[in-house]
Amino acid sequence: DSGVTQTPKHLITATGQRVTLRCSPRSGDLSVYWYQQSLDQGLQFLIQYYNGEERAKGNILERFSAQQFPDLHSELNLSSLELGDSALYFCASSFTGTSFYNEQFFGPGTRLTVL
Amino acid sequence: EDKVVQSPLSLVVHEGDTVTLNCSYEVTNFRSLLWYKQEKKAPTFLFMLTSSGIEKKSGRLSSILDKKELFSILNITATQTGDSAVYLCAPTRDSGNTPLVFGKGTRLSVIA
Repeated sequence: DSGVTQTPKHLITATGQRVTLRCSPRSGDLSVYWYQQSLDQGLQFLIQYYNGEERAKGNILERFSAQQFPDLHSELNLSSLELGDSALYFCASSFTGTSFYNEQFFGPGTRLTVL
Repeated sequence: EDKVVQSPLSLVVHEGDTVTLNCSYEVTNFRSLLWYKQEKKAPTFLFMLTSSGIEKKSGRLSSILDKKELFSILNITATQTGDSAVYLCAPTRDSGNTPLVFGKGTRLSVIA
């Protein structure tokens, strides 16, 4: 158990819909990262939040957005869903602010299926 | 742009064999190299390598980094069926508080 929690585990929805994925980082971690993993793309970075602020953006579509709340949990919002958005979405956390090196620990993921 | 290349992409071995997985990287302001194991779920952290030539070990797994040649290897000795997984490597840069760029991974299958 990495200490990172994600809900829900599975999500099945229809094209055009909107969903919200939730992540709680490990206790003390200030950074939250969202990654997407589809069969043909491998693990792709979407977006990072650090202590409530957006820190880095990767290949995140405009239909997707995220935020990190004062208690450091994060939500990833996916809207106008398309079939190609079906994937595993992982959240990872790291960086207590005091460590010189910061490995990332991954949550169990949310498997999104768009029908 | 950060680049990570892993080889081989897939590998099938018999239980008891020893395997070596390779990871080469190009990243600005390199800080460390991370190895993960991914079975049918989330990647689990294996090693963080920060210094060249210093081997890290955990049971039958070991890993070493060469910062001059920009590569790392992960060795697994006396493989077991439970070692079957995708092994991913990712360099970190700057403060380490940065997103990971993963290689495509090496899919290891261990046959009984």
